[in-house]
Amino acid sequence: DTAVSQTPKYLVTQMGNDKSIKCEQNLGHDTMYWYKQDSKKFLKIMFSYNNKELIINETVPNRFSPKSPDKAHLNLHINSLELGDSAVYFCASSIRGGKLFFGSGTQLSVL
Amino acid sequence: RKEVEQDPGPFNVPEGATVAFNCTYSNSASQSFFWYRQDCRKEPKLLMSVYSSGNEDGRFTAQLNRASQYISLLIRDSKLSDSATYLCVVAPGRDDKIIFGKGTRLHILP
Repeated sequence: DTAVSQTPKYLVTQMGNDKSIKCEQNLGHDTMYWYKQDSKKFLKIMFSYNNKELIINETVPNRFSPKSPDKAHLNLHINSLELGDSAVYFCASSIRGGKLFFGSGTQLSVL
Repeated sequence: RKEVEQDPGPFNVPEGATVAFNCTYSNSASQSFFWYRQDCRKEPKLLMSVYSSGNEDGRFTAQLNRASQYISLLIRDSKLSDSATYLCVVAPGRDDKIIFGKGTRLHILP
């Protein structure tokens, strides 16, 4: 049983398209995150939700919209994709303030 | 000063050697500290938490120095399988923002 699962693993799409990445955790954690890892390998937080409530929203274009239907799910929708959005996106979960457990990542390539 | 800073490396170390790297953090109110390991094209995985008194897990020892605001990781008797990027992680007390360092690349040479 995968603790934090995200789909799809690979996403190749054209500029201007809209796409979604889904994330689910079965650890019973109350906090979920989206991180972006760019080509320089820097892992940067984008969003964090605690019990479905947005608690961290870093300086991310509003083309990125997270949605948390329940505390076990945190999806990421991206509108009007740009070349610079190409990166690996990691979902993670934790008990608030505790250790993070990551999904296996979604490699997004915008052509 | 950056929130979390690490030497990016790479550290090229012969198998069997001992290697250590540090990580400095800027927020003195930080509460929790961790070392994560990330293999190429994989997700980061927790290596160990870092406790105030220092802690050891097999060949790995982590230390915290609150006065100087740094944490360290020591790897003894390094193995080829230790080759990875080691990420320093700092969790502040109140704003829930868990900060990752940019990582230190370690190559263990046969």
